[in-house]
Amino acid sequence: AQKITQTQPGMFVQEKEAVTLDCTYDTSDQSYGLFWYKQPSSGEMIFLIYQGSYDEQNATEGRYSLNFQKARKSANLVISASQLGDSAMYFCAMREGRVTGGGNKLTFGTGTQLKVEL
Amino acid sequence: DSGVTQTPKHLITATGQRVTLRCSPRSGDLSVYWYQQSLDQGLQFLIQYYNGEERAKGNILERFSAQQFPDLHSELNLSSLELGDSALYFCASSAQGGNGYTFGSGTRLTVV
Repeated sequence: AQKITQTQPGMFVQEKEAVTLDCTYDTSDQSYGLFWYKQPSSGEMIFLIYQGSYDEQNATEGRYSLNFQKARKSANLVISASQLGDSAMYFCAMREGRVTGGGNKLTFGTGTQLKVEL
Repeated sequence: DSGVTQTPKHLITATGQRVTLRCSPRSGDLSVYWYQQSLDQGLQFLIQYYNGEERAKGNILERFSAQQFPDLHSELNLSSLELGDSALYFCASSAQGGNGYTFGSGTRLTVV
């Protein structure tokens, strides 16, 4: 089974509108972390937002918020007031297990290509 | 600048050749992760090092190897290169006990 599933290969949104990018995950661990990264056409991976499995509040970072529904195992990214510069590939990723000194790898979904239109 | 430095940024080489990709982690980070991003496979975890020791292994081919040196920089060695090895190779680092993963800008490898 896929650990991270992003079912939207591509999304379009109009400038200034909000958009939700879907992410579901699969893990048997009680402790885990969920991440969203943005990859513009230039290729770099830019960290956007993090949600820990024990965090009761949804994470927010500026125009980004993470809609965390633990029972559904979903961690959707919401971008408010979309801008042209938001056009990029967006990846959902998961760290399984509790944070350890040595660190744990991230597992990535296949990504969603977002295009913001005028 | 993310703090993670990868060199070179671009590399073009012929099939059968060997290349070395270099990564310097963010200052203070002990863990280094290597990922391969190709069009058909997405972002695949290759290998992780923590303070000089191999910690986790993913879908890394036997033709590939890596190491982390005492100064914590890491190198990924790719040998007997094939056309299918063309990809963007990322290095990421994380702090001890931290939740943050910082990615370098990647090395784009083209095998011709």
